[in-house]
Amino acid sequence: AQSVSQHNHHVILSEAASLELGCNYSYGGTVNLFWYVQYPGQHLQLLLKYFSGDPLVKGIKGFEAEFIKSKFSFNLRKPSVQWSDTAEYFCAVSPPPGGYQKVTFGIGTKLQVIP
Amino acid sequence: GAVVSQHPSRVICKSGTSVKIECRSLDFQATTMFWYRQFPKQSLMLMATSNEGSKATYEQGVEKDKFLINHASLTLSTLTVTSAHPEDSSFYICSAFGTSGGFQETQYFGPGTRLLVL
Repeated sequence: AQSVSQHNHHVILSEAASLELGCNYSYGGTVNLFWYVQYPGQHLQLLLKYFSGDPLVKGIKGFEAEFIKSKFSFNLRKPSVQWSDTAEYFCAVSPPPGGYQKVTFGIGTKLQVIP
Repeated sequence: GAVVSQHPSRVICKSGTSVKIECRSLDFQATTMFWYRQFPKQSLMLMATSNEGSKATYEQGVEKDKFLINHASLTLSTLTVTSAHPEDSSFYICSAFGTSGGFQETQYFGPGTRLLVL
């Protein structure tokens, strides 16, 4: 069975600081990887995804994530955070070929950005 | 962007009663819908995958007779928690995946339904 671990449950940053949220997964084969974001009072929405190809994936709002197969990691990064990035971030994994089938989520990381 | 709604957003019921939760894709056709459950301080857990016009596929450990799923149309899936008990109290979230034109192929999540069984 696949699993996802997110190392930081609560992160507090000042505006303009750089962000890196850790995500490691355990699964024996090829995987699809996702980061979802949930802004306060809103639905979960997709931030970025990796299915294949370039392991450096760029998403919306200046976020990117790098798939490092040897480390089973898919860390999320942003060079300079804004107050509006305050949200909860979920890493997720699914086995191919389903793409969005059988997605397993991490527990989430709450990011608080201080103006 | 695509929108998914859930109704009700919050429900309180007595133990032993059944509760129906609706999930609707408002502006696209969803061939597949997913039902998740989230307990406090835990991650979303996939309960079942629902395909329009066919039986739902349940994840291991999820009782199909207790959590009845019906995906009768391309815009509506329902989850019925039958004979609910306090341990069924949780946050239930649906998501919809559609392939109609104009929208990116991805999961769109509903806002969730908080169920409290007394």
